[in-house]
Amino acid sequence: DIQMTQSPSSLSASVGDRVTITCRASQTISNFLNWYQQKPGKAPKLLIYATSSLQSGVPPRFSGSGSGTDFTLTISSLQPEDFATYYCQQSYSSPPITFGPGTKVDVK
Amino acid sequence: QVQLQESGPGLVRPSGTLSLNCDVSGGPLNRWTWVRQPPGRGLEWIGELYNGGSSNYSPSLKSRTSISLDKAKNLLSLRLTSVTAADTAVYYCAEVRDGYNYYYIDSWGQGTLVTVSS
Repeated sequence: DIQMTQSPSSLSASVGDRVTITCRASQTISNFLNWYQQKPGKAPKLLIYATSSLQSGVPPRFSGSGSGTDFTLTISSLQPEDFATYYCQQSYSSPPITFGPGTKVDVK
Repeated sequence: QVQLQESGPGLVRPSGTLSLNCDVSGGPLNRWTWVRQPPGRGLEWIGELYNGGSSNYSPSLKSRTSISLDKAKNLLSLRLTSVTAADTAVYYCAEVRDGYNYYYIDSWGQGTLVTVSS
């Protein structure tokens, strides 16, 4: 199985901050890396697919980059509705599809 | 816009079988997946169904898992046998979009909490 790690596991930030979350795969996954946002009690929501493609309806303050084993999700200017947990997910090698452990973004 | 709705018992006895349905509306049944999330923890992929009947399962759950499809009813089902407390989780059904260089989980159901307890 491909193992996914994320750093940090949590971070505190203020509205307007630039936030960067890192995801690392245990082996190369090409560009098969997706990012999801999850708020408490809600289903995950797709933000970014194929490393850097913005899902329809997602604000452009969200962006993704990377390749191979190292990937990044950036929120250029954090908004109140962005406080949530973020998960990366690889789909290069299946089964199984694997998710990172999540990064919780909360209010500083 | 595809809509998904999970249903099934909220309580299952240890060693019993967890059975959930996912009612799909608003789109054809192409590629579908089940994902679960234990309380306070991260997301775990269970398995998927595609091409009308092919399936993949997580190796850690494969021996206990079955995903099936009733095309006539647009109903996706999950069956997990010999459950333990470790199977307590919110279970989500979701639609998969895939292509040459992408594969992602798109529309999700609201999720249903299943508790394994005597």
